[in-house]
Amino acid sequence: GAVVSQHPSRVICKSGTSVKIECRSLDFQATTMFWYRQFPKQSLMLMATSNEGSKATYEQGVEKDKFLINHASLTLSTLTVTSAHPEDSSFYICSARVPGGLNTEAFFGQGTRLTVV
Amino acid sequence: AQKVTQAQTEISVVEKEDVTLDCVYETRDTTYYLFWYKQPPSGELVFLIRRNSFDEQNEISGRYSWNFQKSTSSFNFTITASQVVDSAVYFCALSEGYGNKLVFGAGTILRVKS
Repeated sequence: GAVVSQHPSRVICKSGTSVKIECRSLDFQATTMFWYRQFPKQSLMLMATSNEGSKATYEQGVEKDKFLINHASLTLSTLTVTSAHPEDSSFYICSARVPGGLNTEAFFGQGTRLTVV
Repeated sequence: AQKVTQAQTEISVVEKEDVTLDCVYETRDTTYYLFWYKQPPSGELVFLIRRNSFDEQNEISGRYSWNFQKSTSSFNFTITASQVVDSAVYFCALSEGYGNKLVFGAGTILRVKS
């Protein structure tokens, strides 16, 4: 299947700093990528839909100024957690949709475990 | 609105037992897709199956099988002869029409003991 690479896999940062997470589709071009957040022992919640060349679409309740999404190319989307606080500590995971038809399969990255201290 | 319910929070079985993970969904669309993913302790999501709403045929893949019943809005997942390596969190998910936004169930923790 298609490969989606997410980097870094783990990051620890100090409160108040910003952290950038990258999501790359390695063997296909992804016009749409999705960012999810998973709190410990909970399910995945969609944060935003990242569209190449246009602004991301955020889900209700997600602060767009805090979670900056950039999808500058067909193979890369980035999520920047700005001015991170301990409550932002979570598992962030991206997925990319393989183009080519109605609702094709979405492949997930390995996830990034963010710890804010 | 879309909703996925996995009523079983945690299941423990002994190796070689069969186990069924339940998934019930809600949607107003006639075109939708259902998914199962496995999340081992390492965290990554492993795709297991995708089924569209027009295909109610049950599927078997090795020790895995899925039972899709539109009449009860269920998409249950059975592991036959479970193994310790099957221990993970299993998520059922739903997406409607075009777009691939997934709504996930709460997940079921499966523990397989040797």
